Amino acid sequence: DQQVKQNSPSLSVQEGRISILNCDYTNSMFDYFLWYKKYPAEGPTFLISISSIKDKNEDGRFTVFLNKSAKHLSLHIVPSQPGDSAVYFCAARGNSGGSNYKLTFGKGTLLTVNP
Amino acid sequence: DAGVIQSPRHEVTEMGQEVTLRCKPISGHNSLFWYRQTMMRGLELLIYFNNNVPIDDSGMPEDRFSAKMPNASFSTLKIQPSEPRDSAVYFCASSLIKGAYGYTFGSGTRLTVV
Repeated sequence: DQQVKQNSPSLSVQEGRISILNCDYTNSMFDYFLWYKKYPAEGPTFLISISSIKDKNEDGRFTVFLNKSAKHLSLHIVPSQPGDSAVYFCAARGNSGGSNYKLTFGKGTLLTVNP
Repeated sequence: DAGVIQSPRHEVTEMGQEVTLRCKPISGHNSLFWYRQTMMRGLELLIYFNNNVPIDDSGMPEDRFSAKMPNASFSTLKIQPSEPRDSAVYFCASSLIKGAYGYTFGSGTRLTVV
């Protein structure tokens, strides 16, 4: 039972264009969402997050959008750069009891930005 | 701060052998998590500790897996006996329980069981 789904295993874009990575979730108890970026042979690193009380959060070239009614979030990278090539994981956190700080991850999307 | 430190970085072992993975969390973080990454299942949570106490081990695949956190600066994940299907990258992560930025991950241990 995958509660966080990233349906696109891979995405390829041209340098300078927009990259849009999508994520869907099924658990309505999730109240905080995060994106992590992972390079080969390294651990995932935090990129950007959004609380369920917001619908948008922006940090430089990175913007995360949240649509609670659709249980969908997306990460926009504008403009995309070759150094953005990595695996991007969507993650979600619940708000009840002992699961408060447990993150559930999607399977990841491999982004390739071509020069 | 050196970040979350995992050892070894790579481990190759024969089926049936015992494997021990180690993790040193960031000083001051009071939550520690063990994740496993595979192509089929992505990043899945195995177990997590809060203040050195195991809170949720529902992700531990079976009795062959065990984890301990004897103090705030050290944790181990043990597999005994190991099987080829245990081959994966194992990540340790730590966080402040009320941290807004999620976890800090270590670089992982790539385990290969032959």
